[in-house]
Amino acid sequence: QSALTQPPSASGSPGQSVTISCTGTSSDVGGYDYVSWYQHHPGKAPKLMIYEVSKRPSGVPDRFSGSKSGNTASLTVSGLQAEDEADYYCSSYAGSNNPYVFGSGTKVTVL
Amino acid sequence: EVQLVESGGGLVQPGGSLRLSCAASGFTVSSNYMSWVRQAPGKGLEWVSVIYSGGSTYYADSVKGRFTISRDNSKNIVYLQMNSLRAEDTAVYYCARGYYDPTATQAFHFWGQGTMVTVSS
Repeated sequence: QSALTQPPSASGSPGQSVTISCTGTSSDVGGYDYVSWYQHHPGKAPKLMIYEVSKRPSGVPDRFSGSKSGNTASLTVSGLQAEDEADYYCSSYAGSNNPYVFGSGTKVTVL
Repeated sequence: EVQLVESGGGLVQPGGSLRLSCAASGFTVSSNYMSWVRQAPGKGLEWVSVIYSGGSTYYADSVKGRFTISRDNSKNIVYLQMNSLRAEDTAVYYCARGYYDPTATQAFHFWGQGTMVTVSS
């Protein structure tokens, strides 16, 4: 099972928006509406930001939004804030035999 | 309050074994699905294993046949037994909780802080 493809880095100034892509195949991202996104500050526990493509867990700001088209999912962070600087990973369900696959990760820098 | 506390990591020689524990509080592990996810130094997250509420277990190809996930419902603990360890298994191992709403959301809603496993001679 190959990792989902994400850009290594993305950046934006405070208040701007940044969008991260996550490209898979019809066997994972394209085949199921089970894409999730995680924020990871080094040394801390990862945090779920989006699940089932576009749902936000309680407590996650509505500045974070998710979408999907075909085999590519996207995470958009609007109104960038300094605390949004972190690594972001997508994940997708990929069927019962090998259920989960993560993306390669994107480092978001707030300029 | 939901808490996941991993333990059992450490330094082990190649070919050795280690058992990780994930002690849960604030919810019942048997009513959720529980996973182990790892992050090798300088690398991204890699899913390792999952145990569903019904007891079904699945593994990444990289650990199949060497790792075993299990749970003790009476203690509310999830384990990861790791045998035939290799250098490439060196990583921080995270325990993560998923839940059903009412079907599995196929996401990891809460994570522990992780425990470091180093495989080296």
